[in-house]
Amino acid sequence: AQSVTQPDIHITVSEGASLELRCNYSYGATPYLFWYVQSPGQGLQLLLKYFSGDTLVQGIKGFEAEFKRSQSSFNLRKPSVHWSDAAEYFCAVVLSGGYNKLIFGAGTRLAVHP
Amino acid sequence: EPEVTQTPSHQVTQMGQEVILRCVPISNHLYFYWYRQILGQKVEFLVSFYNNEISEKSEIFDDQFSVERPDGSNFTLKIRSTKLEDSAMYFCASSGRDRGNQPQHFGDGTRLSIL
Repeated sequence: AQSVTQPDIHITVSEGASLELRCNYSYGATPYLFWYVQSPGQGLQLLLKYFSGDTLVQGIKGFEAEFKRSQSSFNLRKPSVHWSDAAEYFCAVVLSGGYNKLIFGAGTRLAVHP
Repeated sequence: EPEVTQTPSHQVTQMGQEVILRCVPISNHLYFYWYRQILGQKVEFLVSFYNNEISEKSEIFDDQFSVERPDGSNFTLKIRSTKLEDSAMYFCASSGRDRGNQPQHFGDGTRLSIL
């Protein structure tokens, strides 16, 4: 079945530490890939996207993500986390050639300790 | 930067009542969407809308739901007879000209509470 998996429901890191949030997808072809962030009570803000080309993409707020076709993964990284990064992070895909509906993972809630 | 706006931010409604959630997408966008997020669950696709008609809908989007673009700016989601399980955060999104190759921009959502 087609799916997006975020294996980590909750992650806690210390401020200044590095971060990696995992995302795997299960589709026959390479979809378009996205990471969104949701702060409490807020909507979904696009962090970055991958459509094609360079497999390492840069986003806003110092985030980057790497697409690995062989692993069907699109992990989100940040070298040094700030307390304001505490939020919920959603990986999402759009099937290329489809009607553009986003299919979301379950999300990873990030807590940042001072 | 242009943004998607949704009103109201919070709607409380009695079960069985009709509710209309409103969205103003980004002005030059052509594709419009509704998603919902039940508390503690993942964001789920409801419906996509293009060229004044539904292009795709999920199993959730049954006969109780409808969407409309009544004028050049608003995009609405109507739930005809609300049920307790309709309580959720509803997000509107829009995207630009190219169907698959444009990211969707989301509003801040409407929290719908059914009593």
